[in-house]
Amino acid sequence: GAVVSQHPSWVICKSGTSVKIECRSLDFQATTMFWYRQFPKQSLMLMATSNEGSKATYEQGVEKDKFLINHASLTLSTLTVTSAHPEDSSFYICSARLAAGNTIYFGEGSWLTVV
Amino acid sequence: SQQGEEDPQALSIQEGENATMNCSYKTSINNLQWYRQNSGRGLVHLILIRSNEREKHSGRLRVTLDTSKKSSSLLITASRAADTASYFCATDARGSGGYNKLIFGAGTRLAVHP
Repeated sequence: GAVVSQHPSWVICKSGTSVKIECRSLDFQATTMFWYRQFPKQSLMLMATSNEGSKATYEQGVEKDKFLINHASLTLSTLTVTSAHPEDSSFYICSARLAAGNTIYFGEGSWLTVV
Repeated sequence: SQQGEEDPQALSIQEGENATMNCSYKTSINNLQWYRQNSGRGLVHLILIRSNEREKHSGRLRVTLDTSKKSSSLLITASRAADTASYFCATDARGSGGYNKLIFGAGTRLAVHP
């Protein structure tokens, strides 16, 4: 079956630094990728929708200059958390799909801790 | 943004009992999907029901969809301790930017006791 891989699985960074999380679709070309954030015991909140070759569409309240999303190819999207703060500590999950209406496949998520 | 509510927020049952979780949403949808998440892990896709379908089965899972009430339910029959997890509904709908996106409900934390 389709597999979406996220890297790293967990990362600890210092306040003020930037950290990049990668999301790869391993056996299909993903025209659309989604980035979610999940705080403990809460649901997944959609941050942005990323389409290959175009700018990401951010959800209301998500700072596009802080959460940089790049979807450079049909198999790779990256999320960069810039100038990270402790409140950015969260579980970040990406997902991908081949086309609208198709099943969406999720990565295993990345735990970010900002100290 | 979240699409809607799920109830109950938490459900505790004994092995062998059935578990029913409900989900309500706000906008028109293409389909509705149910996912399972073990603590601190990624999501596992359980079942997808299209907007023109009313009921779907997969193993011990039964999903219903009522588009007139904008609600769905997930029934897990003969529950097992291994079913302990959080369950989320998610609606697949066109967003304001013209792209389809998946919006999650609040989730139900299910605990199945041996």
